[in-house]
Parts: sequence; structure tokens; C-alpha cells
Amino acid sequence: AQRVTQPEKLLSVFKGAPVELKCNYSYSGSPELFWYVQYSRQRLQLLLRHISRESIKGFTADLNKGETSFHLKKPFAQEEDSAMYYCALISGAQKLVFGQGTRLTINP
Amino acid sequence: EAGVTQFPSHSVIEKGQTVTLRCDPISGHDNLYWYRRVMGKEIKFLLHFVKESKQDESGMPNNRFLAERTGGTYSTLKVQPAELEDSGVYFCASSQDLGAYEQYFGPGTRLTVT
Repeated sequence: AQRVTQPEKLLSVFKGAPVELKCNYSYSGSPELFWYVQYSRQRLQLLLRHISRESIKGFTADLNKGETSFHLKKPFAQEEDSAMYYCALISGAQKLVFGQGTRLTINP
Repeated sequence: EAGVTQFPSHSVIEKGQTVTLRCDPISGHDNLYWYRRVMGKEIKFLLHFVKESKQDESGMPNNRFLAERTGGTYSTLKVQPAELEDSGVYFCASSQDLGAYEQYFGPGTRLTVT
């Protein structure tokens, strides 16, 4: 079964501290994994995808097939990073399977 | 260019009533998706249109939900009759073509059934 797990519903860190949002998945086959973000009063938007291996807004995420994880990391958190973050995978049928989301709060 | 739009932004109805949600995808996007987030739970897939055809409706919860996409443009999602457990945020997303993994989301419609 396809499943995405984000163990932390809430995560609070101080500005300038490193941040890591955890994501684990179960999927038979080669998954395509994503992080979506929803800032306050904005719509859900793609933050990054594992196939592009890029850094967006200082965030990176590495797919670890051995641990079936796709954790999102940023070395120095900024206040504007406060948002709801969703890890997701896409199945062959083109539908996104989301985790429950992690609300990240950056304290000044 | 306008993004995905949804109407209404918020709907409050009584149990047993009917509600119709509308989604206008980005112009030229053949793929249209409906998702739902029920309170405290994850965002879940409902169905996927390719143009006017239903490609995958495996996520539709029951036959009280009816989705249509007239002429392959905008889509409607009707809930009839609404039940309390239908409350949540309904998201629409669109993408340009199959294999285009980025789905662009609308702002969502918050449905409250009382």
C-alpha cells in the first residue's frame, strides 16, 4: 500500500537553528517524492521534488531508499519558513498521496 | 496568468442539503484533480479527469459525490445529500499533461455541514 508518514504534527524551532521535517514512505516500485508547502493565507504549492535534486529557499531533501525516507532540511531557519509542510508521493496513476502534514513555526 | 480558481471559498450547509463546488483549472491543463482534507486527517485524492473523462475515481467516498467536467474545462463536485462527515476543505488541482508531476492547487473550498 502507498503511504506517507510525517511523524511530527507540530515542530517549533528558533530562527537561525537547523530544521528537519521528517517523512517516511511505503511504496512498491520507484517513488516520485515531493514536498508541498502552504503558507498562511496562500494555496498549497510545490516546494521541491526529489528528481530535480535542487535547493529551494534553502531547503533540500534527499531520498533514502534504504530507510524509505525523504526528510526536508534547512541549515538556518528563517521566520518566513513558518508554514504547513506536506510530504507526498505520486503513484503511477498520477494521484498524489500526502502525509498528514507538519506545522512548522519559527520563533524569533 | 490566473491560477486554479475555486468557488465558493466557504460553504455552510445543513445535513441533507446539496452543495456544488466549482473548479476552474489553469487554461490548457488537461488534467484536473479533486482532493479533500477532513479535519485532522491527511489530504486525500478523490478523482482525476483527463479532459472530460474520468481517469481515476477510486478516491470518491460514496455515491453521494458526483463530479463532472463539462467540455473538458471547469469541473463541478456535487455532494447530495451532504452528511456531517463531508465537512472539510476540498482542493482542486490541475496539471498540463500526464507525466507533468507538478500539480497546481486552487485555494480550496471549506465545506461545513451542520
